[in-house]
Amino acid sequence: EVLLVQSGAEVKKPGESLKISCKASGYSFSSYWVAWVRQMPGKGLEWMGVIYPGDSDTRYSPSFQGQVTISADKSITTTFLQWSGLKASDTAMYYCARLFSGIASRSDYWGQGTLVTVSS
Amino acid sequence: QSVLTQPPSVSGAPGQRVTISCTGSSSNIGPDYDVHWYQQLPGTAPKLLIFGNINRPSGVPDRFSGSESGTSASLAITGLQAEDEADYYCQSYDSSLSVVVFGGGTKLTVL
Repeated sequence: EVLLVQSGAEVKKPGESLKISCKASGYSFSSYWVAWVRQMPGKGLEWMGVIYPGDSDTRYSPSFQGQVTISADKSITTTFLQWSGLKASDTAMYYCARLFSGIASRSDYWGQGTLVTVSS
Repeated sequence: QSVLTQPPSVSGAPGQRVTISCTGSSSNIGPDYDVHWYQQLPGTAPKLLIFGNINRPSGVPDRFSGSESGTSASLAITGLQAEDEADYYCQSYDSSLSVVVFGGGTKLTVL
């Protein structure tokens, strides 16, 4: 069974750093792209970027380039999304999702989401 | 402003048919890139509903169907049920922007 299990909710202050995770199981981790998707409160889905764990090829949406870092650790079949200086506007639910094939393909499995709250 | 345009809301009575449109451009909807649809029930993660414009994953009822024409795609739901009340999103890839794009989402209300 394919599972993506994300780390728990976080409450942070502006300026703090954060790294959230997405643990994959039930498939060949290195062979599938994993995407990160943001959903701000009451808003729609926004594609942030993707990583191919096999060779760590990473692509970012221009809207998120330089704002976040996506990484992966094959040894623990986990992808990460991190910030070096959080802002209040980073408050959102963040989802990871496995892509069926290439970057343009469907997201066939999703994590349960990680709620990040940034407040002073 | 999303690259893919969806109506903010649609509604229908139980048993009725509703459609949700997703309008794009030649750089994101057409022969080169597929449209996928996701259902997001309140408080849950999105779930793949339709892929490759018209295909249903295993377990998705045949009340849900997808179509594509020109630079638009549509999701149709027949025999509307209370449990269908959710947000629905279309998704494709935009070759001009080189990014995956989502529609703004459509809230379906079952009256």
